[in-house]
Amino acid sequence: AQSVTQLDSQVPVFEEAPVELRCNYSSSVSVYLFWYVQYPNQGLQLLLKYLSGSTLVESINGFEAEFNKSQTSFHLRKPSVHISDTAEYFCAVAANAGKSTFGDGTTLTVKP
Amino acid sequence: DAMVIQNPRYQVTQFGKPVTLSCSQTLNHNVMYWYQQKSSQAPKLLFHYYDKDFNNEADTPDNFQSRRPNTSFCFLDIRSPGLGDAAMYLCATSHRDTYYEQYFGPGTRLTVT
Repeated sequence: AQSVTQLDSQVPVFEEAPVELRCNYSSSVSVYLFWYVQYPNQGLQLLLKYLSGSTLVESINGFEAEFNKSQTSFHLRKPSVHISDTAEYFCAVAANAGKSTFGDGTTLTVKP
Repeated sequence: DAMVIQNPRYQVTQFGKPVTLSCSQTLNHNVMYWYQQKSSQAPKLLFHYYDKDFNNEADTPDNFQSRRPNTSFCFLDIRSPGLGDAAMYLCATSHRDTYYEQYFGPGTRLTVT
């Protein structure tokens, strides 16, 4: 069985400040790791993924996440956030064919 | 652009009145999923199709059914909606070789009155 824990349900931050959204996972097998973003009344959009190789992965809009196997973590970071980054962020793991397990989400609110 | 489409985006139904939500995809993906997402919660997998093979989650209520008449379309039928079934319903797809990468539609928000 696998599980995902997002350690912060809400993260308020001022515009242009750095942010970290924390994600820990547990699994008895190797996993693939993902961050999705969900804007109000929208579906989930894949933000970035770790499948193998370099433990640091980046998205096109400035987010990055680092896979830490020893700490079973996959934290999401951005050095300078914008108002438009306000959204719900979900961390997910996939190990078994056809199934992903999602965390409960972190609401990122960027204030002017 | 290849995509996952859900219709309608917003659906209102009455308590106990059957309702059908639809999903279509132009990605030609083998796998299609239905998730239920309640406010401020993680998406919960209801079932998925691997081609025509139907896979039901153990805790999915019998009230929820699904049909996949062809590769492109998948339907979610709620036979007797209760107030607790009000939620966002998300359809997603993936290719069998990269099953872990899911592509989501915009969702249908269901209201039960």
